[in-house]
Amino acid sequence: NAGVMQNPRHLVRRRGQEARLRCSPMKGHSHVYWYRQLPEEGLKFMVYLQKENIIDESGMPKERFSAEFPKEGPSILRIQQVVRGDSAAYFCASSPTGVRVSNQPQHFGDGTRLSIL
Amino acid sequence: DQQVKQNSPSLSVQEGRISILNCDYTNSMFDYFLWYKKYPAEGPTFLISISSIKDKNEDGRFTVFLNKSAKHLSLHIVPSQPGDSAVYFCAAKSQISNFGNEKLTFGTGTRLTIIP
Repeated sequence: NAGVMQNPRHLVRRRGQEARLRCSPMKGHSHVYWYRQLPEEGLKFMVYLQKENIIDESGMPKERFSAEFPKEGPSILRIQQVVRGDSAAYFCASSPTGVRVSNQPQHFGDGTRLSIL
Repeated sequence: DQQVKQNSPSLSVQEGRISILNCDYTNSMFDYFLWYKKYPAEGPTFLISISSIKDKNEDGRFTVFLNKSAKHLSLHIVPSQPGDSAVYFCAAKSQISNFGNEKLTFGTGTRLTIIP
């Protein structure tokens, strides 16, 4: 499967625990985006990363949330000390590297459903 | 502030007929628009896109129309098939940015149901 891979598909955490969500972009893609979808809402942008760089984190909550995309391995979205309001579907998308990438669509993974007890 | 709006939460269409999904935007910096289709428990799947230099783009049964002066776009699906039943999201971005490939701003979606 050459698509965007996210794991786990479902994650249950208790309040105060940490959640780690992983995303492997499509082959040949070096741009990664994280979005969050609350019930009955659209997807909301969180952060845009390239390898080893955070490019735009304007949608990230100021506290408890962080993201990375290391040189080797998947991108990680980390949520510390989770609260009930963090319950949502978290989607990762990727787009290709190269010239004129601005008109390339983003391709999405199937998401991680995070439930906070 | 909802910059991309899909005012119809749901739409039902008879199989074989035309489905028309609408989307309005407020940010005049948006110049690239996309439609995504989403099934339950799956991620959004890219359908079709349009740049602001065009007013129409067609791909098989799917056509997107853009009216820049009205800040309105629509997705036409004809003929509609049962497999088209899904939630459809309109998304927009600005290609003029310091960041290269920019973030997408999504609408809240329209649930399309095709009646056999």
